[in-house]
Amino acid sequence: GQQVMQIPQYQHVQEGEDFTTYCNSSTTLSNIQWYKQRPGGHPVFLIQLVKSGEVKKQKRLTFQFGEAKKNSSLHITATQTTDVGTYFCADTNTGNQFYFGTGTSLTVIP
Amino acid sequence: KAGVTQTPRYLIKTRGQQVTLSCSPISGHRSVSWYQQTPGQGLQFLFEYFSETQRNKGNFPGRFSGRQFSNSRSEMNVSTLELGDSALYLCASSLDGGTRTGELFFGEGSRLTVL
Repeated sequence: GQQVMQIPQYQHVQEGEDFTTYCNSSTTLSNIQWYKQRPGGHPVFLIQLVKSGEVKKQKRLTFQFGEAKKNSSLHITATQTTDVGTYFCADTNTGNQFYFGTGTSLTVIP
Repeated sequence: KAGVTQTPRYLIKTRGQQVTLSCSPISGHRSVSWYQQTPGQGLQFLFEYFSETQRNKGNFPGRFSGRQFSNSRSEMNVSTLELGDSALYLCASSLDGGTRTGELFFGEGSRLTVL
C-alpha cells in the first residue's frame, strides 16, 4: 500500500539555525499537504503543493515538490522557538484517504 | 465560525470496555475523517465519512467502527478495548467538494487511556 516516509524523525537545532524535513513516497504523489502540530495541540494545515517542481514560500518556510512528484521538503530558515512542533506531510494519492508521514519533531534550543 | 469540536477530551477506560467518541465538524463541512495518533506512529487513518456514507476505511480491526449523522456529526466506537488502543483520536473535517484536495481541519482530539 501507499507509504509516505518522512526523515528525520527528530531534529534538535540551535535557535537561528536552519531546518529541513523530507517526505518521500514509493509511488507518485498527487498532492502534498504539510501540517504542523504544536506540543499538546492538533495538526494545523500549512500549505498544499500540486504541481511538479512547485516551490512555495511562507515567510521563513519554503516548501518544495519534487520534479517526479515522489518527494517533498519543508525548509525553515533561521529557526525560532515558535517553530517547535512536529511537522507532517500528507498525500491524498488514492481514494478519499490522507496518507500522513510519520512526522519530524523539531526542538529549537534557545 | 466554530471549529471542529470533539468530546470527550480525556477519558480513562479499562480493558474489555467500549468507548464512543463524538465529533462535530465545521458548519458546512460534509466530510469527517478519524485518525489514531500514537507516539512514533504518526497519524493512522481510521475511516472517512461523507454524507452519512463511509467512503474509505483504514487497516484497523472490526472493533473500530463509526457513523455519521444527517447533520454531519460523527461518532466512532471502539469495542473490547485493549491496552494498545490508548492513543489520541483526532477528528478532521473538510469541505470536500469531490476533488479530495481540501485541507483538513482537526479537532483538539480525544485522549483515551486504557488501563
